[in-house]
Amino acid sequence: NAGVTQTPKFRVLKTGQSMTLLCAQDMNHEYMYWYRQDPGMGLRLIHYSVGEGTTAKGEVPDGYNVSRLKKQNFLLGLESAAPSQTSVYFCASRPEAGGGTDTQYFGPGTRLTVL
Amino acid sequence: QQQVKQSPQSLIVQKGGIPIINCAYENTAFDYFPWYQQFPGKGPALLIAIRPDVSEKKEGRFTISFNKSAKQFSLHIMDSQPGDSATYFCAVSGSQGNLIFGKGTKLSVKP
Repeated sequence: NAGVTQTPKFRVLKTGQSMTLLCAQDMNHEYMYWYRQDPGMGLRLIHYSVGEGTTAKGEVPDGYNVSRLKKQNFLLGLESAAPSQTSVYFCASRPEAGGGTDTQYFGPGTRLTVL
Repeated sequence: QQQVKQSPQSLIVQKGGIPIINCAYENTAFDYFPWYQQFPGKGPALLIAIRPDVSEKKEGRFTISFNKSAKQFSLHIMDSQPGDSATYFCAVSGSQGNLIFGKGTKLSVKP
């Protein structure tokens, strides 16, 4: 089991460019999450999904879009990148609520720099 | 409004010491209180978690103490080792299962 994987690991964008971050999990988890981590700010939830075809906004959704077309994949898109989106992005997944555990399993992260 | 407040921001202890990290929350509806450990360049990983029906949970050298009336919980690391040097995050969760994280504590254990 690879667990949760993220691609790419690093990326540098110019202001206004777009990109998509891919998260994949092989644990058959229903729930998936995208967080951003900034120094001194902890992890903040951007968007999440409670199942294939569903998405919902988290704490800091502005400037991001997501899609969950397949259960195992959760994509995070930046349509027009801004320097304020420079951050480390983490994807996480967990079984559905009531599935016996509330543990979220995190990927290794994507370090994004927007110039 | 910050829903979970974590302190201290950083902590330095000697090997064998007992670092204590504290978290306080506001919403009494929260019912799951995990601690995550993160090493540099890695994603966070669950360390230990507690639910409000118990006041303490121990797993190896790691202990969570939970005070429901004070709306506080803390992580204690017994006999700390240099390998415990990491950033620790507390979190809270309600019925929807979304985690709200504290801002983190960077722990350094000196040999």
